[in-house]
Amino acid sequence: SQTIHQWPATLVQPVGSPLSLECTVEGTSNPNLYWYRQAAGRGLQLLFYSIGIGQISSEVPQNLSASRPQDRQFILSSKKLLLSDSGFYLCAWSAGTGSAPQHFGDGTRLSIL
Amino acid sequence: KQEVTQIPAALSVPEGENLVLNCSFTDSAIYNLQWFRQDPGKGLTSLLLIQSSQREQTSGRLNASLDKSSGRSTLYIAASQPGDSATYLCAVYTGANSKLTFGKGITLSVRP
Repeated sequence: SQTIHQWPATLVQPVGSPLSLECTVEGTSNPNLYWYRQAAGRGLQLLFYSIGIGQISSEVPQNLSASRPQDRQFILSSKKLLLSDSGFYLCAWSAGTGSAPQHFGDGTRLSIL
Repeated sequence: KQEVTQIPAALSVPEGENLVLNCSFTDSAIYNLQWFRQDPGKGLTSLLLIQSSQREQTSGRLNASLDKSSGRSTLYIAASQPGDSATYLCAVYTGANSKLTFGKGITLSVRP
């Protein structure tokens, strides 16, 4: 069966520090991969998605970037964190077909001080 | 631009009650609609997915219906239990940019 792993579970970082959140999927190949952010009182916002290695699409201009160095690995990064980057970050995957369901990881709670 | 609305934002019911959670969307040109459950501080768990050609899906005590033409979906929970307490989110997939558009969720509390 397929599983998705996301780490760390929680992270506290100072303003201006770098960020790297990692997500890996097991049990499937060539998945679509997604990064979402969930801010308090707001719905989930899609940040990035990827349909293959090295292929990244950005939904919202921001202080973050994403990379997909391997088929089942998706990384969310920042060179310098802002206070507004605080939130709950969720990674998700779906099979390559467009109508397949999305499955989510357990999320990373990021607090910026 | 697709918008998904879930009203009310919060709901409290006594244990054993049958309840309906509503979801509406503005653009009926969807591929599918998915219902998720989110426990506090946790990720999303997929509950049911309804393809655009389907009218409903069932899993245990849960039944989700879809009326694409009117832009509405409902999640029916039978014989609610305290363990059903969570936030329930609906999301629609329109095929554009492989993107799910989410509602803000309904936080359900089932009182023992």
